[in-house]
Amino acid sequence: DIQMTQSPSSLSASVGDRVTIICRASQSISNYLNWYQQKAGKAPNLLIYGASSLQSGVPSRFSGSGSGTDFTLTISNLQPEDFATYYCQQSYNTPETFGQGTKVEIK
Amino acid sequence: EVRLVESGGGLVQPGGSLRLSCAASGFTFSIYAMSWVRQAPGKGLEWVSTISSGGGATYYADSVKGRFTISRDKKNTLYLQMSSLRAEDTAVYYCAKDVYYYGRSFDIWGQGTMVTVSS
Repeated sequence: DIQMTQSPSSLSASVGDRVTIICRASQSISNYLNWYQQKAGKAPNLLIYGASSLQSGVPSRFSGSGSGTDFTLTISNLQPEDFATYYCQQSYNTPETFGQGTKVEIK
Repeated sequence: EVRLVESGGGLVQPGGSLRLSCAASGFTFSIYAMSWVRQAPGKGLEWVSTISSGGGATYYADSVKGRFTISRDKKNTLYLQMSSLRAEDTAVYYCAKDVYYYGRSFDIWGQGTMVTVSS
């Protein structure tokens, strides 16, 4: 199985900050990488697919980049509603595996 | 409105069985593959199982293979039959609609149903 490792596990940031989350795959997955946001007590929400494509309805302050084994999710101009846990997921092969999550907290 | 609503969760003893259901509405259920994803309390997400749009192909995580069975019907409902349940199966179970952009991702999720395996 492909292992997905996110860093950091948590971070504190302020409204208006630029935040970057890293996701690393245990083998090359090309750009078969997706990002989800999960708010407390809610289901995950697809933000980005194919490493850098924004899902319909997702604000443009979210962006993704990377290819191969190293990927980033960037949130520019952090908003109050962005405080949540973020997960990466590889869709290169089955089983589709997720990172352990990165919790973005209010500083 | 596109919607997935899970039901059937609850408390079950180790070794017991439970069947989860997921009612879909607002989209053409029959043309999409569907999946179950679970989340143990305080933990991350784990893909559990997927069924193809026609129901002819099914896929399982090694952790549930031989114990869980995914199925679907023509009344827009997805199922997960769980047997020989273990404490480590305790989790919120989400049904999710598959979308194939670059491989399989999940664009619509239900609200989840809690399964607790305990004596």
